This record gives sequence, structure tokens and C-alpha cells, in this order.
Amino acid sequence: AQSVTQPDIHITVSEGASLELRCNYSYGATPYLFWYVQSPGQGLQLLLKYFSGDTLVQGIKGFEAEFKRSQSSFNLRKPSVHWSDAAEYFCAVGGPAGGTSYGKLTFGQGTILTVHP
Amino acid sequence: DAGVIQSPRHEVTEMGQEVTLRCKPISGHDYLFWYRQTMMRGLELLIYFNNNVPIDDSGMPEDRFSAKMPNASFSTLKIQPSEPRDSAVYFCASSSRDRGLQETQYFGPGTRLLVL
Repeated sequence: AQSVTQPDIHITVSEGASLELRCNYSYGATPYLFWYVQSPGQGLQLLLKYFSGDTLVQGIKGFEAEFKRSQSSFNLRKPSVHWSDAAEYFCAVGGPAGGTSYGKLTFGQGTILTVHP
Repeated sequence: DAGVIQSPRHEVTEMGQEVTLRCKPISGHDYLFWYRQTMMRGLELLIYFNNNVPIDDSGMPEDRFSAKMPNASFSTLKIQPSEPRDSAVYFCASSSRDRGLQETQYFGPGTRLLVL
């Protein structure tokens, strides 16, 4: 069964500092990987996704993530954090088309990001 | 596009009452998902549909929960009877394969349910 682990429940950074949120997944084949962000009281918004090809993917709001198959990781990064980035971030894994898991996402427990001025 | 629409946004009810949550997916999307989010359990997939047909309902907690999708533009999640432990935020999401947006799920704003 597929699973996602986000080791950090809560991260605090200063505005302008760099950010890296960790995500490790377990999946029997090449996964589809996603990062979503949830602001308080809101739904989830897609930041970026990886399906295939270049292992470094760019997303919205200046975020990027790198897929490392050897480490089963898909860490999210941002070079300079803004106060508006404070939110909860979710990593998710899904199955490829044609597989039994297609269409179904498994989410990590989320990482809450606090940004200090 | 209006995005995924959920109603009501907030619901407060008493234990034992029936609760119905509604979702309108993005037009043209052929997958619809119902999730529940709580502090203790995080984001859980309850059930999902493809072309209005339930594909996987293994996440539905018990028989008190039921979901239907009578047509491509409407789905309901019903809890009968409701219990305090059902208090959570319920999200609906939709996605489409045909447009190349494989597995990118678009979430609605959620329904905050409080069962007293």
C-alpha cells in the first residue's frame, strides 16, 4: 500500500530564510507526487506535481521540489520565505494511469509552517 | 471556472440528526472524491467516484455514512445518524484524466461540521 511520511509536524523560519519541507513516500512503482498548501479555513491548493521527466519541478509561489527515487523523497523548497507562506503543507502520492490506485491520493500528515518577521 | 462548490460551508447539528453535505465538481471532471480532515487523523479519503460510479469506498467509516453521485455535476455525502465524533471538515475534490490533468485534484472550500 502507498504511504507518505512528513517527518516534521511544525517548522518555524524567519522571513527571508530558505525553507525545505521533507516528504518520504512508499510506493511499489513510479509514483505521481504532489504538494498541496492549505491556508487556515481554506481548501487545499496545488503547489506543484511530479509525473515523469525532469526530477526538479517548479510550482507556483516560487516553490520547487526534487524527486529523488533512491531516497524515496520529494522535498519541497523555497529560497526565500514570505510571511504569506505561513500555512499547512501536504505531500501526497498517487498511482499511475491504468493501475489499481489510479485516481486515489494518499496524503501525509502535513507540516505546519510558521514564519517569523 | 467556478471551481469545486460545496454546501453548506458550516453545519451545526445535534447528535442523532441526519446531515447531508453537497458537492458540485468542476465541469468536465470525471473523478470526484470525498475527504474528511480532523486533527487526530489528518486528511482521510472516504470514497471516490469515476463517471458517477463509486470506485473505492473503503474509507467510509461505517454504515452511518453513505455517498451518492446521481449525475456528473452533483454528489452528496450523508451521515445518518450523526455523532459528535463525526465533527470534522469534509472536503470534496474533483479531477480529470481526459484533459491531461492526471490526478491533479482540485479541492472545494470544505464543509465544517459540528455535531453536538
